[in-house]
Amino acid sequence: DVKVTQSSRYLVKRTGEKVFLECVQDMDHENMFWYRQDPGLGLRLIYFSYDVKMKEKGDIPEGYSVSREKKERFSLILESASTNQTSMYLCASRRTSGRIGDTQYFGPGTRLTVL
Amino acid sequence: QQPVQSPQAVILREGEDAVINCSSSKALYSVHWYRQKHGEAPVFLMILLKGGEQKGHDKISASFNEKKQQSSLYLTASQLSYSGTYFCGTGRGTTSGTYKYIFGTGTRLKVLA
Repeated sequence: DVKVTQSSRYLVKRTGEKVFLECVQDMDHENMFWYRQDPGLGLRLIYFSYDVKMKEKGDIPEGYSVSREKKERFSLILESASTNQTSMYLCASRRTSGRIGDTQYFGPGTRLTVL
Repeated sequence: QQPVQSPQAVILREGEDAVINCSSSKALYSVHWYRQKHGEAPVFLMILLKGGEQKGHDKISASFNEKKQQSSLYLTASQLSYSGTYFCGTGRGTTSGTYKYIFGTGTRLKVLA
């Protein structure tokens, strides 16, 4: 079974802090994704990585950056956390077969509260 | 750009049926359906790749109308275990030559005993 783990289930930070959210997958997947989940807005893509050190912006990248130094690990960074970044953050991974039908596997999420 | 789902929320009694709709203003090339139970990761339900395709397992099925740019998820004789948030997703090409999944606004479904 594919396993996607996230470093924390709950996190509380102060405005202006630098925040790191970590995601690890154990299936050698090439593609990894970060989404945020907000009521009424569903899942919105922040950034994704299609290979080590390769990344591409999603639909809402402002205020975030990412890092992928190893294939199994994808980090989301909030350079200076703000209250409007309070949300549930979900990581996902997917293998690349070239077909559009590959299943995406999600982690359990990190609920971040910025005070 | 996000697919829009309707209804936003629905409450059912066990044994009742429900339909969740997913509509896109852009062409849909594939539709994925996921369910997320409270406090858990979203889990893949099914994918529809071609217009006109219909799929199902157990009492959950889906259809895909490519021309209308919409998909529907049908839950028949709902069970308590169906409670959760349902998301549709669709694939979009990217500048890097791969594709990303864009997910809908979500539908919260609660089944009561």
